[in-house]
Amino acid sequence: DAKTTQPNSMESNEEEPVHLPCNHSTISGTDYIHWYRQLPSQGPEYVIHGLTSNVNNRMASLAIAEDRKSSTLILHRATLRDAAVYYCILRDRGSTLGRLYFGRGTQLTVWP
Amino acid sequence: DTAVSQTPKYLVTQMGNDKSIKCEQNLGHDTMYWYKQDSKKFLKIMFSYNNKELIINETVPNRFSPKSPDKAHLNLHINSLELGDSAVYFCASSPLDVGGNYGYTFGSGTRLTVV
Repeated sequence: DAKTTQPNSMESNEEEPVHLPCNHSTISGTDYIHWYRQLPSQGPEYVIHGLTSNVNNRMASLAIAEDRKSSTLILHRATLRDAAVYYCILRDRGSTLGRLYFGRGTQLTVWP
Repeated sequence: DTAVSQTPKYLVTQMGNDKSIKCEQNLGHDTMYWYKQDSKKFLKIMFSYNNKELIINETVPNRFSPKSPDKAHLNLHINSLELGDSAVYFCASSPLDVGGNYGYTFGSGTRLTVV
């Protein structure tokens, strides 16, 4: 799976939007962009994924650059519960069965 | 209802012992996984099973033996435990993921401490 690059850490205030960037300059045309997060002492939690178009769900929005070499996870109004490590992962559409290769992710701190 | 449940949540044991971790999912998923998170917080896949059949074995020592009695269960048995096996082990499941178009559901983890 292709590699992703994320900032080690980011901070936000509660109720403000958060934009978490991810660079994936070696992405192939068949790679889905997945985002997971891991709250303290919990297992990873699926957040959102997309291929080419921007995606929205109840948790977040995913904005994908036109050239697909980068993406941004958007939390519209951060809450204290959103403090977690966020992982950006590329999943090969052509591979049969799922390995998720987790990098170091971005530690998001949310201040009250 | 917990979607992916693991037992036990904590496991403290001595070196050389044999232990098992159990995982069950009630999502009707076809595929189940074991991941290991070490002390540096890196998450790595260990095994993947699809409908009781082993699909992925990511260079894991053969002291680790997964067993899937049915597609809703994937257990992990570890023989001759070593200090380096101390980690958090996560079970996960997904629909048959032929193209990366599904999210995975993880359990809350089993923290294994070998003393």
